[in-house]
Amino acid sequence: DIVMTQSPDSLAVSLGERATINCRSSQSVLYSSNNRNYLAWYQHKPGQPPKLLIYWASTRESGVPDRFSGSGSGTDFTLTISSLQAEDVAVYYCQQFYTTPQITFGPGTKVDIK
Amino acid sequence: EVQLVESGGGLVQPGRSLRLSCAASGFTFVDYAMHWVRQSPGKGLEWVSGITWNSGSIAYADSVKGRFTISRDNAKNSLYLQMNSLRTEDTALYYCAKDNILRGGLAYFDYWGQGTLVTVSS
Repeated sequence: DIVMTQSPDSLAVSLGERATINCRSSQSVLYSSNNRNYLAWYQHKPGQPPKLLIYWASTRESGVPDRFSGSGSGTDFTLTISSLQAEDVAVYYCQQFYTTPQITFGPGTKVDIK
Repeated sequence: EVQLVESGGGLVQPGRSLRLSCAASGFTFVDYAMHWVRQSPGKGLEWVSGITWNSGSIAYADSVKGRFTISRDNAKNSLYLQMNSLRTEDTALYYCAKDNILRGGLAYFDYWGQGTLVTVSS
């Protein structure tokens, strides 16, 4: 199974500043035949279900603010919040779907306001 | 509007069984894979099981394989999770989640329910 790791475990960022979350997979999630990275990002706030932010590593889900962006390829990926807002306080997870049917999440990164 | 409503959670003793249900509406249920994802207290998200639109592919996390069974009834727009031989470590909030890809395999999740809480304790 692919193991997903994230760094840091948590971070605190000032309002309006950039937040960067890293995700690494134990093997590549890039499918060479279509050049797509089988990776998604979610935002999870307390008391709410998770929300899809990014899929195919860099495609923003409809309705997601453009301050959220995803990048990376192969085994190393980044979720960037370009200008942190108060409503962005949450835990963020990456998820691989390359080795379906086995799907795995990263351990999560908690984002707070400094 | 897509809605996923889970039910069936509760308090159950170790070794007993429980069946979760998820009622779906607002989309063509038969066209999408569906999943169960859980979150244990203080822990992260864990994918539990998924089933493709036509039930042609079914998969489980190693932690539940042989104990849990996922199924769907496309005529009733419903997803199920039969949980047998429950363990204390199965205690979690169980989410029903819709896959994003039309008539695809098991991929990623664009809609989630609010979850149903399962507590396994003596």
